[in-house]
Amino acid sequence: DAGVTQSPTHLIKTRGQQVTLRCSPKSGHDTVSWYQQALGQGPQFIFQYYEEEERQRGNFPDRFSGHQYPNYSSELNVNALLLGDSALYLCASSLMLGPGNYYEQYFGPGTRLTVT
Amino acid sequence: AQSVTQLGSHVSVSEGALVLLRCNYSSSVPPYLFWYVQYPNQGLQLLLKYTSAATLVKGINGFEAEFKKSETSFHLTKPSAHMSDAAEYFCAVSVPSGGYQKVTFGTGTKLQVIP
Repeated sequence: DAGVTQSPTHLIKTRGQQVTLRCSPKSGHDTVSWYQQALGQGPQFIFQYYEEEERQRGNFPDRFSGHQYPNYSSELNVNALLLGDSALYLCASSLMLGPGNYYEQYFGPGTRLTVT
Repeated sequence: AQSVTQLGSHVSVSEGALVLLRCNYSSSVPPYLFWYVQYPNQGLQLLLKYTSAATLVKGINGFEAEFKKSETSFHLTKPSAHMSDAAEYFCAVSVPSGGYQKVTFGTGTKLQVIP
């Protein structure tokens, strides 16, 4: 049973460019959340997708957008990259059990984005 | 709004000594609480979770944590440190938000194990 996979592993971009990161959830999971982890910090919640819609969003600008496909895989897009966007981007998948119910998140290995 | 405070960004222990990593949370509603471990250049692995059942929670690799509501704490312990425990540990709190769960992580504690 494959866990959460992310691609690419590493990425180097120039300031002002755009980037797309990809995530495939754990088998049987239908919900994908994205987190940004800057060096020396804890993960910060970016947004969550369920049923192909953004359900929750953290305190990130509109430059950060996402998408979820019918097969539950997800993309994170970042436009107009800034140096401060350099971070490890983590994807977590889970199974939505209904409003208010606890669900366990499984994390992928992350994509290391470096903006120069 | 909920928050998590991890006391001590770096903790050093000798191999075989007690490991104690501190986590205090703030939440206006009953929370779920988690400890994750992160090895270099890897994602997060769930160590243990509190979901309002038993207050003493046992996890993987010999770790356990106790939920103390009166102290708003969820400290992580292990009786005897092993070299393989050297990693970064994150405490997280999850609360209901608009029908979903909102997860907030602490800033992490790096554990060094000295031989």
